[in-house]
Amino acid sequence: ELVMTQSPATLSVSPGERATLSCRASQSVSSNLAWYQQKPGQAPRLLIYGASTRATGIPARFSGSGSGTEFTLTISSLQSEDFAVYYCQQYNNWPRAFGQGTRLEIK
Amino acid sequence: EVQLVESGGGLVQPGGSLRLSCAASGLTFSTYAMSWVRQAPGKGLEWVSALSGSGGSTYYADSVKGRFTISRDNSKNTLYLQINSLRAEDTAVYYCAKSAMPDVWGKGTTVTVSS
Repeated sequence: ELVMTQSPATLSVSPGERATLSCRASQSVSSNLAWYQQKPGQAPRLLIYGASTRATGIPARFSGSGSGTEFTLTISSLQSEDFAVYYCQQYNNWPRAFGQGTRLEIK
Repeated sequence: EVQLVESGGGLVQPGGSLRLSCAASGLTFSTYAMSWVRQAPGKGLEWVSALSGSGGSTYYADSVKGRFTISRDNSKNTLYLQINSLRAEDTAVYYCAKSAMPDVWGKGTTVTVSS
């Protein structure tokens, strides 16, 4: 079964700085990788699909890259509303799989 | 605007059953695959199940295979998840989501399994 591994588990960054989150697949998922943001008490929100395409309404400071087994989500200049938990998910294979999440916290 | 509204959650004893529903609006429901994703308290997201627009193809996580059944009624724009033989580890918020790569999510319904 395909496993998604995110790192780090927690990332502490100051507002205005850049944040880089990683996601690794145990086997190739091509570019079939999505990123989600989840805030406390809320449903997840789709940020990125196809590894690098921003979903509708997502600010340009969010960018995704990678293919195969290594993926990165970059937030170029952190705003206060960006502090949340981020998940990657592969949709290349069944069953689908999420990473365990990266908590982005204010430094 | 696409809206998904889950219902049917509640408190149930171990070994019991529940049927969750997800009412969809703002989309041509039958043309989209749909998914269920759950989140245990304080934990991450866990993909549970999905099915095709016609309902002819279904997919399950190994952790729920044989106990959960996903289905849909396209005439009612509604997705279902029948959950049997409930265990404490099934306690979670259950989200309904549009597509096999979830792009729109409902707010979730809470299932608590406890005696």
